[in-house]
Amino acid sequence: AQKITQTQPGMFVQEKEAVTLDCTYDTSDPSYGLFWYKQPSSGEMIFLIYQGSYDQQNATEGRYSLNFQKARKSANLVISASQLGDSAMYFCAMREGLGDSWGKLQFGAGTQVVVTP
Amino acid sequence: NAGVTQTPKFQVLKTGQSMTLQCAQDMNHNSMYWYRQDPGMGLRLIYYSASEGTTDKGEVPNGYNVSRLNKREFSLRLESAAPSQTSVYFCATLQYGNQPQHFGDGTRLSIL
Repeated sequence: AQKITQTQPGMFVQEKEAVTLDCTYDTSDPSYGLFWYKQPSSGEMIFLIYQGSYDQQNATEGRYSLNFQKARKSANLVISASQLGDSAMYFCAMREGLGDSWGKLQFGAGTQVVVTP
Repeated sequence: NAGVTQTPKFQVLKTGQSMTLQCAQDMNHNSMYWYRQDPGMGLRLIYYSASEGTTDKGEVPNGYNVSRLNKREFSLRLESAAPSQTSVYFCATLQYGNQPQHFGDGTRLSIL
């Protein structure tokens, strides 16, 4: 069963506007972490932001913020003031549980963002 | 990405050939991972090594083997390559806790 769902295959956003990328997840484990990665056309995976299941506050990192709604099992990424360099594929990923296997990440299919002038 | 180095960056194989993808890290991380990324999909875990001396299967292990040679190195072997294994392969490392995984730049593998 799909654990991470990203329902937006692609989005266009104008420069300087904010954009929200959707991510819903499925887990019965009380301990989990949610990550967002950016993959530009050059192919590397760039870590953006992390939210733990026990974190009380929504995570923020510069222009990136995570809208974490635990009851709804959603962890949407908000990019404020979009820049041309934000054009990339964005992946939501989840780590579940504790112990040796806890570092494993499960990824969504990604959302392609194109920022236009 | 100086922390996680993957070799080679590109490779073309014929069906049935074998090859080993190499991953080395200088971050002193305990855990290492191999993922594959197919077009239009997210990354899927092939194998991982939680610590030196241990390896375990991920979501899509069939057709692959791994070796955790030491703390720094984690290799992925295709014994008899198949066209379905055409993909981009990423190695990643993790130290502990709520840290993000650090990824190598990937190996683009084509099997004809």
